[in-house]
Amino acid sequence: GEDVEQSLFLSVREGDSSVINCTYTDSSSTYLYWYKQEPGAGLQLLTYIFSNMDMKQDQRLTVLLNKKDKHLSLRIADTQTGDSAIYFCAEIIRDDKIIFGKGTRLHILP
Amino acid sequence: EAQVTQNPRYLITVTGKKLTVTCSQNMNHEYMSWYRQDPGLGLRQIYYSMNVEVTDKGDVPEGYKVSRKEKRNFPLILESPSPNQTSLYFCASSRTHYNEQFFGPGTRLTVL
Repeated sequence: GEDVEQSLFLSVREGDSSVINCTYTDSSSTYLYWYKQEPGAGLQLLTYIFSNMDMKQDQRLTVLLNKKDKHLSLRIADTQTGDSAIYFCAEIIRDDKIIFGKGTRLHILP
Repeated sequence: EAQVTQNPRYLITVTGKKLTVTCSQNMNHEYMSWYRQDPGLGLRQIYYSMNVEVTDKGDVPEGYKVSRKEKRNFPLILESPSPNQTSLYFCASSRTHYNEQFFGPGTRLTVL
């Protein structure tokens, strides 16, 4: 069935890199997204990647896409306490329905 | 200010008492969507609308209704709420379904 899988928790030391992984099911997905949810707030788009790209970099964020394995990752360089949040991977399937993963809670260790 | 608003932000109700959660956006977006967020289940799409008078079921539409009579508004209706609809609800809108979704602040609903 349609599903987006993510690990639920990740702990990283401040200053290290965080890598959040996601696998998706629809090989025809044209856009894949990373959203961030801070405590008590709605989701905000962090970045996205178009399916014909392998990599996208935006300041401290790097998105890698492996279409063959249907694997998407988000790397946050020099992780800061403000990066503590839940990160959701999402894909569009069948052109209009959006599927979110369960979210990865990123915890920053001092 | 460009935003998505939801009302109410918090609601406690009883089983079977009809309720409506309103959602409004001021960005002239075509695509609007309702999600529920539950611990361990992440965000699941309830209904979405590609444009005025066009609505479609998401992953978990049972027990919910929506309408899209105007572009800016997309109310979520629970005709006969049940305790399993206790959840955190988010409305979102985007220019089209491919574009960045802007989320409302959320509505925390408790059904006793």
